[in-house]
Parts: sequence; C-alpha cells; structure tokens
Amino acid sequence: TQLLEQSPQFLSIQEGENLTVYCNSSSVFSSLQWYRQEPGEGPVLLVTVVTGGEVKKLKRLTFQFGDARKDSSLHITAAQPGDTGLYLCADTGTASKLTFGTGTRLQVTL
Amino acid sequence: GAGVSQSPRYKVAKRGQDVALRCDPISGHVSLFWYQQALGQGPEFLTYFQNEAQLDKSGLPSDRFFAERPEGSVSTLKIQRTQQEDSAVYLCASSLARLALKTQYFGPGTRLLVL
Repeated sequence: TQLLEQSPQFLSIQEGENLTVYCNSSSVFSSLQWYRQEPGEGPVLLVTVVTGGEVKKLKRLTFQFGDARKDSSLHITAAQPGDTGLYLCADTGTASKLTFGTGTRLQVTL
Repeated sequence: GAGVSQSPRYKVAKRGQDVALRCDPISGHVSLFWYQQALGQGPEFLTYFQNEAQLDKSGLPSDRFFAERPEGSVSTLKIQRTQQEDSAVYLCASSLARLALKTQYFGPGTRLLVL
C-alpha cells in the first residue's frame, strides 16, 4: 500500500512570508496532483505533474516534482490570507482512484 | 454551471441508525467517486462508478457500506447500523471520463457525526 507523507503537518505564518511544503511517497508516483481544501469544502485541484524534474508555476505557487518521481514540493511566495487551507498531494494511480497524502494545514495571518 | 452537490450537508445519527448520503454529479460526467475524510486527514477512496457500473469498491470499510448509481447520474452512499468510527466527512467527486488524469471535481461533502 502506497503511503504519502506530507510535512509539515501544520504551518502558521504571517502574510508576506514564503513557505514550502513537502510530499513524499513510499513508491513512484503514477502522476501527482496538488489540491487545496478550504474548511467546509471539497478539495480543488491546483496542478498535475507527470514528468520527473518537472516544475510548474501557478501565480505565486511553484510546484516541483522530484527527478525520481517519489517526492514533490509546493512553494508559496508572499503568502496571503487567501492561501489558508489544507494542502493535499495525491497520486492518480494506475486506476482511477486518488491516493491522498496526510495533508499540510496552512494558516496565513495578517 | 452547477458543480457537484451533496445532501445533506450535515447528518447526526445515533449509533445503530441507517443513513443515506446523496451525490448529484456534474451533468454528463461519466465517473463518480466516493471518499471518506476523517478529521485532520486526507480523503480515502471508498468506491468508483463508471456510469451505473460499480467498477471498484475496494475501499468500502465493511459490508455495512453500500453505494449505488442506478441510472448513471445521482449516487447514494448508504451506511447501515452506523458506528462511532463512521464519523467523518464523506466526499463525492465526478469526472468527465474514466482516466484518472481527468480532473475530479469534488462536492462540499456530508459531515456525518455518529453519537
């Protein structure tokens, strides 16, 4: 059974700070997705990465996929309160179901 | 356009009661998924439908859990004889096609509390 560990579990920072969260897998990803989930809502897809070493940028968010396709990082520049939420990585697997990580809960305060 | 909707949003059940949770996927979406999310954890896969066919139910934790999608659109997740450990948020997601790389769109979830 694949295990996806995310770190840190919790992160509380002030507006304007930079941060990085990590996702590590016990096995090679099929492809990796990052989601953000706000309280009382379902996860919303941020990005999909497929190729080892791939880097994708989404405004202030930078996603990096490890060369060996077993790890990934999400870097946020100049965090804003609207970035607050639960960040989840997920493996799309060989079938259709998603395997989610343990999550990083981010709080950005003014 | 409307997204995935789920009802009820909140459900309180006494231990031993049966509950039924409803999911209305995005119109035209072929695939439908159910996930269970315990407090402070990531969602865990329960079951998957392609149209009306339940292709994977490997994540259902016990035979008390049953899901159906009889006409290939609306789906119901039923939990019989609820237990306290069933307390969680139940998320439904739909996608346009079978492949996992197609985006899954999640509903807001049903928060189930079993007392």
